[in-house]
Amino acid sequence: KQEVTQIPAALSVPEGENLVLNCSFTDSAIYNLQWFRQDPGKGLTSLLLIQSSQREQTSGRLNASLDKSSGRSTLYIAASQPGDSATYLCAVSGNQFYFGTGTSLTVIP
Amino acid sequence: DAGITQSPRHKVTETGTPVTLRCHQTENHRYMYWYRQDPGHGLRLIHYSYGVKDTDKGEVSDGYSVSRSKTEDFLLTLESATSSQTSVYFCAISESFSTDTQYFGPGTRLTVL
Repeated sequence: KQEVTQIPAALSVPEGENLVLNCSFTDSAIYNLQWFRQDPGKGLTSLLLIQSSQREQTSGRLNASLDKSSGRSTLYIAASQPGDSATYLCAVSGNQFYFGTGTSLTVIP
Repeated sequence: DAGITQSPRHKVTETGTPVTLRCHQTENHRYMYWYRQDPGHGLRLIHYSYGVKDTDKGEVSDGYSVSRSKTEDFLLTLESATSSQTSVYFCAISESFSTDTQYFGPGTRLTVL
């Protein structure tokens, strides 16, 4: 069974700092990896989708990388803002979908 | 935002009663999913559908059934609710299973007393 781990569980940074969130998975037989954002009491919003054949995807201040062979993905957030405060989840797609438990990010003004 | 609604948004029920949650989409996406989200477990897939009357089990399907009689509606039924099914339930949709983004609904908070 696929296991998806996100470390750290919580992260607090001052505004303007660049940061990296980590996601690791145990089975490299995936179709894609997706990063989501979840605000308290809300549903999930898709941020970036990386196909298994790709190495990275970028959207604005966000950059996600994928190293399938090592079972790792990172989400890089540049010049963090208080509005980036949320929980960030990664999910891998194989024969099923598996989510990590998320990293709760707080950006301090 | 993708057109996904869930009803009800909140429900409190008693152990042993049947409960049905509804997911409705206006995007005409082929795939629909039901997840539950619990502290410490993240989101776990319950069931998914790949077309009208076509469904399959996810990681945590015991105690749940689903039906999809129309492209736009996907129902999740707890035949006899238990306290362990207290959770937040999310519906999601996508064009394909393996290559496309999943879009999520706002969630339903279910409490089983």
